[in-house]
Amino acid sequence: AQKVTQAQTEISVVEKEDVTLDCVYETRDTTYYLFWYKQPPSGELVFLIRRNSFDEQNEISGRYSWNFQKSTSSFNFTITASQVVDSAVYFCALSNYGGSQGNLIFGKGTKLSVKP
Amino acid sequence: EPEVTQTPSHQVTQMGQEVILRCVPISNHLYFYWYRQILGQKVEFLVSFYNNEISEKSEIFDDQFSVERPDGSNFTLKIRSTKLEDSAMYFCASSKLQGSTNEKLFFGSGTQLSVL
Repeated sequence: AQKVTQAQTEISVVEKEDVTLDCVYETRDTTYYLFWYKQPPSGELVFLIRRNSFDEQNEISGRYSWNFQKSTSSFNFTITASQVVDSAVYFCALSNYGGSQGNLIFGKGTKLSVKP
Repeated sequence: EPEVTQTPSHQVTQMGQEVILRCVPISNHLYFYWYRQILGQKVEFLVSFYNNEISEKSEIFDDQFSVERPDGSNFTLKIRSTKLEDSAMYFCASSKLQGSTNEKLFFGSGTQLSVL
């Protein structure tokens, strides 16, 4: 069975602090895709990153970085020097390569509050 | 950047009534999806649609649900006889190619459905 676990329900930090959002996934597939989406207070889901299972290189995009570790089935997301605008719910998601393309399995999300 | 638009942003209906949620996907996209998010819970896949037919659906997508692409631009989700438990935020998404292999999913801002 496929499953995504985001153990942190809510995190609160003060602006400029670094914060890491954890994501652990389960899948029997050897080829799969991992995603992070941001849901700001306005409600839409904003794509942040897609990573395939063959690419374990960590990625950095500005203040955002992602650490993919197949050995621990984790795909953690770090925001460096957090800002108030980063306040949102962040979802990690998983999709396999075979018959479920487009069928994203989402975690329950982590609500991040960044206080000034 | 082009976006997926959903109307209305909020729909209130009486239990047992039919409701149609509307979406305009990005114009050159070929794959369309509906997801839903019950308040405080994770985002769940409902259905994917390609070439005028359903390509995949989840257990949630029972006979009460149907999707249609009535013209070249709209993509609708119909709930035939709404139940209280249908109350949720419904997200439409589209992608140019199959969602998890080549392209990210672009999500709309959602329609909040409240069944009374």
